Amino acid sequence: DGGITQSPKYLFRKEGQNVTLSCEQNLNHDAMYWYRQDPGQGLRLIYYSQIVNDFQKGDIAEGYSVSREKKESFPLTVTSAQKNPTAFYLCASSRLAGNNEQFFGPGTRLTVL
Amino acid sequence: KQEVTQIPAALSVPEGENLVLNCSFTDSAIYNLQWFRQDPGKGLTSLLLIQSSQREQTSGRLNASLDKSSGRSTLYIAASQPGDSATYLCAAPTDSWGKLQFGAGTQVVVTP
Repeated sequence: DGGITQSPKYLFRKEGQNVTLSCEQNLNHDAMYWYRQDPGQGLRLIYYSQIVNDFQKGDIAEGYSVSREKKESFPLTVTSAQKNPTAFYLCASSRLAGNNEQFFGPGTRLTVL
Repeated sequence: KQEVTQIPAALSVPEGENLVLNCSFTDSAIYNLQWFRQDPGKGLTSLLLIQSSQREQTSGRLNASLDKSSGRSTLYIAASQPGDSATYLCAAPTDSWGKLQFGAGTQVVVTP
């Protein structure tokens, strides 16, 4: 099955902790993205990556970090500097050119205790 | 900067009625426009992608139109069913390769 997997599905974090969300794709896509979704709002872009070992900040990168060591993987770390991290996090991937339709994973719901 | 708006925020229709969902964007020089479906607590499912050179794209009961001059796209769902109940989002790229700007979505309820 080709697709995007995210883990865990639910994640609970204590104040002051860093947590890492996993995103893996087997679609052979070059580009990968992280979005945040809050109730009643559209998706907002956190970070994106076009190629391995390169990534750029999106609209709301503060308090987050990413890495892209492999084409298939794009983990997101929510650091203690992120003041309001409770949200639904979605990972996506796409080709870089031509039909660059974006495909999404099932999401991770992060709750700060 | 590309801005995307979806009105109304919520919509309720009886089963069998056709659904019409609206999406407006500010920058008419878009490369494509994508429509998604989201069920509660789930990720997004891509429904249709319309390239800038296309006026329409169809998949089964779904038909999406694109009018760049007026900055509008419309998603039509024929003969709605209770299983069509979900939130529908549209998104337009902010550049040539894929960064998307999303609308806030239209929540649809189809009543039996």
